[in-house]
Amino acid sequence: DAMVIQNPRYQVTQFGKPVTLSCSQTLNHNVMYWYQQKSSQAPKLLFHYYDKDFNNEADTPDNFQSRRPNTSFCFLDIRSPGLGDAAMYLCATSPHRGTMDTQYFGPGTRLTVL
Amino acid sequence: AQSVTQLGSHVSVSEGALVLLRCNYSSSVPPYLFWYVQYPNQGLQLLLKYTTGATLVKGINGFEAEFKKSETSFHLTKPSAHMSDAAEYFCAVSDGTGTASKLTFGTGTRLQVTL
Repeated sequence: DAMVIQNPRYQVTQFGKPVTLSCSQTLNHNVMYWYQQKSSQAPKLLFHYYDKDFNNEADTPDNFQSRRPNTSFCFLDIRSPGLGDAAMYLCATSPHRGTMDTQYFGPGTRLTVL
Repeated sequence: AQSVTQLGSHVSVSEGALVLLRCNYSSSVPPYLFWYVQYPNQGLQLLLKYTTGATLVKGINGFEAEFKKSETSFHLTKPSAHMSDAAEYFCAVSDGTGTASKLTFGTGTRLQVTL
């Protein structure tokens, strides 16, 4: 089955220690998104790629970076995680630029910062 | 800018009872509206969406929602709740102006189903 895969499902890091979260997709979608979801809150968009075109949300901290080396893979880098960055990180994809397009979500990576 | 308000962070119903989850939106352009469900420790799964056309939208697992422009609402209903419906439900509106389907989510409603 075509899907969105996130690894690892659970990640523990130390305060200030860089961490990378991974997302891959077999849907061959052009657009990939990263969301941050804190406990009992709505998912919040951090940034998205349309193909190789990177689009950062205005309020996304500089501490968060992303890479998309090819269509299938997208990475979220947190350069210096703080305690406030503990959250579920969700990757999603959509086929095109269309604003009515369905987004397909991965299972998420739960990040713990010690 | 668009926004979504979900009334009731927790809703509890008995198995077999009607499910009604409320969603109101604000959008400066014709909205595209979505309902997603999230089971514990999982990602979000699309239940249904409204883009254009028929205002009553049917989705998976027996859910449906009706777009009411005059009330700026998109409430989610299911005639008969099942234990497996217990989950978090998110209403979302799409930004109709940009280059991708950028979703703004409501804060979610946790549905509890009791025997």
